[in-house]
Amino acid sequence: DAGVTQSPTHLIKTRGQQVTLRCSPKSGHDTVSWYQQALGQGPQFIFQYYEEEERQRGNFPDRFSGHQFPNYSSELNVNALLLGDSALYLCASSLSQGGGDTQYFGPGTRLTVL
Amino acid sequence: AQSVAQPEDQVNVAEGNPLTVKCTYSVSGNPYLFWYVQYPNRGLQFLLKYITGDNLVKGSYGFEAEFNKSQTSFHLKKPSALVSDSALYFCAVRITGGFKTIFGAGTRLFVKA
Repeated sequence: DAGVTQSPTHLIKTRGQQVTLRCSPKSGHDTVSWYQQALGQGPQFIFQYYEEEERQRGNFPDRFSGHQFPNYSSELNVNALLLGDSALYLCASSLSQGGGDTQYFGPGTRLTVL
Repeated sequence: AQSVAQPEDQVNVAEGNPLTVKCTYSVSGNPYLFWYVQYPNRGLQFLLKYITGDNLVKGSYGFEAEFNKSQTSFHLKKPSALVSDSALYFCAVRITGGFKTIFGAGTRLFVKA
């Protein structure tokens, strides 16, 4: 049983560019959440997708957008990259059960913005 | 607003000794509480969670945590530390009925042989 997978592993971009990160959830899971983890900090909630809709969003600008596909996989898009967007981006999947569901994390995508 | 505090940046303990990693939280409703561990260059691994019921929760790798509503705490404990427990530990909270999970800043645990 494959866990949560993310691609790519590492990515280097320059300021102003756009990036797309991808996530495949754990088998049987229907919900995907995205987090940004800056160096030395805890993960920060970006948004959560369920039934192909954004269900809740954290305190991130509109430059951060996402999508969930019918097979539950998800993409995170970041436009107009800033130096401060450099971070580890984590995807977490879960089975929606009313709030107490456990999130399982992928290994992350390390984004470096130069 | 929801928040999680992990007051210690680092905890040092000798192998075989008990360990405690502290966590306090602030939410406006009833919380779901979680502990995760992160090894270098890896994603977060789930350890345990409190949803309701018994205040003492047992999880993976011999870890346990006690929910204390009056002190709004959820400290992580293990009776006997292993060198392999050395890692970064995160406490997290989600409000009942919500979908956003708030993580603490993390506590680095160092277990010395």
